[in-house]
Amino acid sequence: GNSVTQMEGPVTLSEEAFLTINCTYTATGYPSLFWYVQYPGEGLQLLLKATKADDKGSNKGFEATYRKETTSFHLEKGSVQVSDSAVYFCALSDREGRDDKIIFGKGTRLHILP
Amino acid sequence: EAQVTQNPRYLITVTGKKLTVTCSQNMNHEYMSWYRQDPGLGLRQIYYSMNVEVTDKGDVPEGYKVSRKEKRNFPLILESPSPNQTSLYFCASSLDRGPNTEAFFGQGTRLTVV
Repeated sequence: GNSVTQMEGPVTLSEEAFLTINCTYTATGYPSLFWYVQYPGEGLQLLLKATKADDKGSNKGFEATYRKETTSFHLEKGSVQVSDSAVYFCALSDREGRDDKIIFGKGTRLHILP
Repeated sequence: EAQVTQNPRYLITVTGKKLTVTCSQNMNHEYMSWYRQDPGLGLRQIYYSMNVEVTDKGDVPEGYKVSRKEKRNFPLILESPSPNQTSLYFCASSLDRGPNTEAFFGQGTRLTVV
């Protein structure tokens, strides 16, 4: 079945460092891909998404490009801030037939040091 | 303000004592679901509902029940809670079942069963 694999954390970086969180997926069809972020004590919220191959999603300085050839959707940010400390989830939509759900990776905890 | 509201935020209960976690959304969304989040396992879907009176099992439905009598509400019922149901629970809703549709999450309910 469909699945999402993302790098395990925690990831600890200094402020202004470059961030990459890897995400790869397995899918039989053409899913949409998402990154969700969970700040401490809160629910998940959508960070960005891409709906087809070569699309780039971006928001709050974060970017991710839908790479069909490598089945990847890596999250990047050029200069992280302390306020980016959170758990990041890569996800794909699996809504064909009766499989009506979003499939999440296990999450990557990010710590940014001042 | 568009939101998904869960109650309670925190709950400690004893084994076998029936409980209900409520979930309500004010966005007129058709699709609602429940997830549990556990360390190292990410988010796993418990149940979902595509519309009023239409519910279906997710990946980990054992020990849970749901109902969808109104479009806005989707309560999660634990008839006889056990310690292995100690977890962080999230309710989510989305406009429909389209593959590009964003999911909106509640703030979570942290349940402890002793």
